[in-house]
Amino acid sequence: GAVVSQHPSRVICKSGTSVKIECRSLDFQATTMFWYRQFPKKSLMLMATSNEGSKATYEQGVEKDKFLINHASLTLSTLTVTSAHPEDSSFYICSGSTSGGTKNIQYFGAGTRLSVL
Amino acid sequence: TQLLEQSPQFLSIQEGENLTVYCNSSSVFSSLQWYRQEPGEGPVLLVTVVTGGEVKKLKRLTFQFGDARKDSSLHITAAQPGDTGLYLCAGAPVSDMRFGAGTRLTVKP
Repeated sequence: GAVVSQHPSRVICKSGTSVKIECRSLDFQATTMFWYRQFPKKSLMLMATSNEGSKATYEQGVEKDKFLINHASLTLSTLTVTSAHPEDSSFYICSGSTSGGTKNIQYFGAGTRLSVL
Repeated sequence: TQLLEQSPQFLSIQEGENLTVYCNSSSVFSSLQWYRQEPGEGPVLLVTVVTGGEVKKLKRLTFQFGDARKDSSLHITAAQPGDTGLYLCAGAPVSDMRFGAGTRLTVKP
């Protein structure tokens, strides 16, 4: 299956700093990438959808100035958590999707656990 | 409000037992996926079903897509401890995917 690499897998930062998470599709071109947040023992909550070269579409309640998403190429999307605070601590997961017949299939990264002190 | 309703939310069984997880919606899906997620990892795709009434088998796992493409089920035969995890269904009625709340399965040896 298609591989998505997410980096870093774990990050600890101080309150007020910014953190960048990278999501790369290694063996396919991800025309669309998704960013999710997952709370302990809960399902995935979609934060935003990004198409290569376009501005991301954010879900209701997600602050676009807080969670900056860049999808500059067909293989790379980044999520930057700006001025992180302890309430931003969470498990963040990205996924990539291809266009075409299987366009509704998403391939997930392994996730990034963010801890804000 | 969850677009997809999964049941049960939690399931704890003994090794060797059978189980079925359900994924229901009032919406029609062009396709539906089942994923399994282990703690600290991203979801891993198990199967995609596309055609109404479709049945797919993956070793001891049997997936079925409802005739009307509004619901799906996952049946595990003779569950093993290695089946423990969070099972998620996800569907795309239009162009974006939504996940069910998940079924957290624990298989005790």
